[in-house]
Amino acid sequence: NAGVMQNPRHLVRRRGQEARLRCSPMKGHSHVYWYRQLPEEGLKFMVYLQKENIIDESGMPKERFSAEFPKEGPSILRIQQVVRGDSAAYFCASSPNRRNTGELFFGEGSRLTVL
Amino acid sequence: KQEVTQIPAALSVPEGENLVLNCSFTDSAIYNLQWFRQDPGKGLTSLLLIQSSQREQTSGRLNASLDKSSGRSTLYIAASQPGDSATYLCAVIRRQDYGGSQGNLIFGKGTKLSVKP
Repeated sequence: NAGVMQNPRHLVRRRGQEARLRCSPMKGHSHVYWYRQLPEEGLKFMVYLQKENIIDESGMPKERFSAEFPKEGPSILRIQQVVRGDSAAYFCASSPNRRNTGELFFGEGSRLTVL
Repeated sequence: KQEVTQIPAALSVPEGENLVLNCSFTDSAIYNLQWFRQDPGKGLTSLLLIQSSQREQTSGRLNASLDKSSGRSTLYIAASQPGDSATYLCAVIRRQDYGGSQGNLIFGKGTKLSVKP
């Protein structure tokens, strides 16, 4: 049973370009969460999605960031017109359903570097 | 507002030593508390999860305790080994968040542990 799969593991972008980060949850998991870890900072919640629905995006920056979890395929975190401050590790986590223990399983992360 | 603090930020111990990592949180109304391990350049590995109704959890050489009333959790590592070197993260889910946002874990900044052979 594969774990949470994220790709790319490393991504380099120039300022103004777009970054797309993908996440495939664990098999049988229907809930996906994105977190961001800035250098020397703790992990911060960004968004919580279920298939075709955004449940909570209270941690998402108001502009340039968007997330989706389509019926088919991985969840995508999209960052438009990247700036140097977007350089961070972006982690995806999944869980099986709402009524479980609340335990989350994390991927290896995607490390974005903005030049 | 829930805040999670971990002390110390870094810890270096000789191999074989027993050690305790500390985590404190400001709002005792939590649904659960999780301890994670993060290796450099890697993701998070869940170590232990303690539900709010529980006092402790054990897995191998690890034991985590929870005292909600004082807003504290400790992670005890017995007979430390060089392979235990990593950053240990503590995270909580607030009770009122669970229904609406199951995954809104609030993390501390972690304790970076180095176990010297």
